[in-house]
Amino acid sequence: AQSVTQPDIHITVSEGASLELRCNYSYGATPYLFWYVQSPGQGLQLLLKYFSGDTLVQGIKGFEAEFKRSQSSFNLRKPSVHWSDAAEYFCAFRGSQGNLIFGKGTKLSVKP
Amino acid sequence: GAGVSQSPSNKVTEKGKDVELRCDPISGHTALYWYRQSLGQGLEFLIYFQGNSAPDKSGLPSDRFSAERTGGSVSTLTIQRTQQEDSAVYLCASSLTSGRLSTDTQYFGPGTRLTVL
Repeated sequence: AQSVTQPDIHITVSEGASLELRCNYSYGATPYLFWYVQSPGQGLQLLLKYFSGDTLVQGIKGFEAEFKRSQSSFNLRKPSVHWSDAAEYFCAFRGSQGNLIFGKGTKLSVKP
Repeated sequence: GAGVSQSPSNKVTEKGKDVELRCDPISGHTALYWYRQSLGQGLEFLIYFQGNSAPDKSGLPSDRFSAERTGGSVSTLTIQRTQQEDSAVYLCASSLTSGRLSTDTQYFGPGTRLTVL
């Protein structure tokens, strides 16, 4: 079955610390992959996307993600977290109808 | 405004009533998607439109749910005889094109929070 797994429901990091959010997918081919962020009361905003080519992709707000085919993973990273990064992060891939298939999300809390 | 808009932002209704949720996509976007976000189910895909056509309605949770799109623009999601399990945030997204190989970004609206008492 096609699915996205985000194993961490909630992560807390200190401001200034590095961050890695995990994402694994199950799909028959190489999917188009996305990370979205949702701040409280806000809609979903695209952070970055991967279609093909360079497996390390850069996004907005200093985020990057690396596609690893052998591990079926697309982990999101940021070298230094800011308090404003506190939000919920969703990994997704594009399904057969062009719809997005999302993971359950990882909630990020940032300690001062 | 240049973004996707949805109305109402909040809707409280009584069980058994019908509700209509509206989505205004970004101008020129031919693809429009409806999703539902709930605590138990996460983000679920409901239905998409390419132009005014919805090729596959199998993602709708039950036959109480229906959706239409007119003029290749505004879309309405209708829930008849609402149930408490319909309580969720309903999100709309639009993109220039649809399809598995589309590289176009899906832009999301702020959502409609539906509460069924």
